[in-house]
Amino acid sequence: DSGVTQTPKHLITATGQRVTLRCSPRSGDLSVYWYQQSLDQGLQFLIQYYNGEERAKGNILERFSAQQFPDLHSELNLSSLELGDSALYFCASSAETGEGNTIYFGEGSWLTVV
Amino acid sequence: AQTVTQSQPEMSVQEAETVTLSCTYDTSESDYYLFWYKQPPSRQMILVIRQEAYKQQNATENRFSVNFQKAAKSFSLKISDSQLGDAAMYFCAYRSYYSGGGADGLTFGKGTHLIIQP
Repeated sequence: DSGVTQTPKHLITATGQRVTLRCSPRSGDLSVYWYQQSLDQGLQFLIQYYNGEERAKGNILERFSAQQFPDLHSELNLSSLELGDSALYFCASSAETGEGNTIYFGEGSWLTVV
Repeated sequence: AQTVTQSQPEMSVQEAETVTLSCTYDTSESDYYLFWYKQPPSRQMILVIRQEAYKQQNATENRFSVNFQKAAKSFSLKISDSQLGDAAMYFCAYRSYYSGGGADGLTFGKGTHLIIQP
């Protein structure tokens, strides 16, 4: 158990809809990351938040947005969903100090868009 | 931008044997971290081992060890005494580090599927 918690584990929704994925980082970790893993694109970094503020942005679509709340949990919002958004979405966290540059992953949220 | 290349899409090894998974990366940075993650059929991403670029000594974790060649930008993973539970997709990953306390996300290779033959 990495200590990173993601909900829901599985989600099926229709094209055009909006979903929210939730993540609780490991206790004490200030950084939260979101990654997308699809069959043909591999693992893609989407976005990083550090202590409530956006720190780095990767290949995140404009239809997607994220935020990190004062209690450090994070949400990834996916809107106007398309079939190609079907993927496994990982949340990960790290402490960002000393040995804390290691990133630990949650179990992922499976999103199927039909 | 950094890139990570895993040239072996699939590897097969007999149980109890040793196998080495290859990884090369491209970067202009001098400070960074390298990781190997394991993704079993459950799809969970599990950290196997990490290496700091400033450390010359190769990292080891029980049956797992790395051969880190900074000049060659190579970071291979050796698994000794392979076990059935080692069967998984293995991802090599790079992470930048810059002063100021922050770092962005991991850059992953495309993975190597490791098969363990009983």
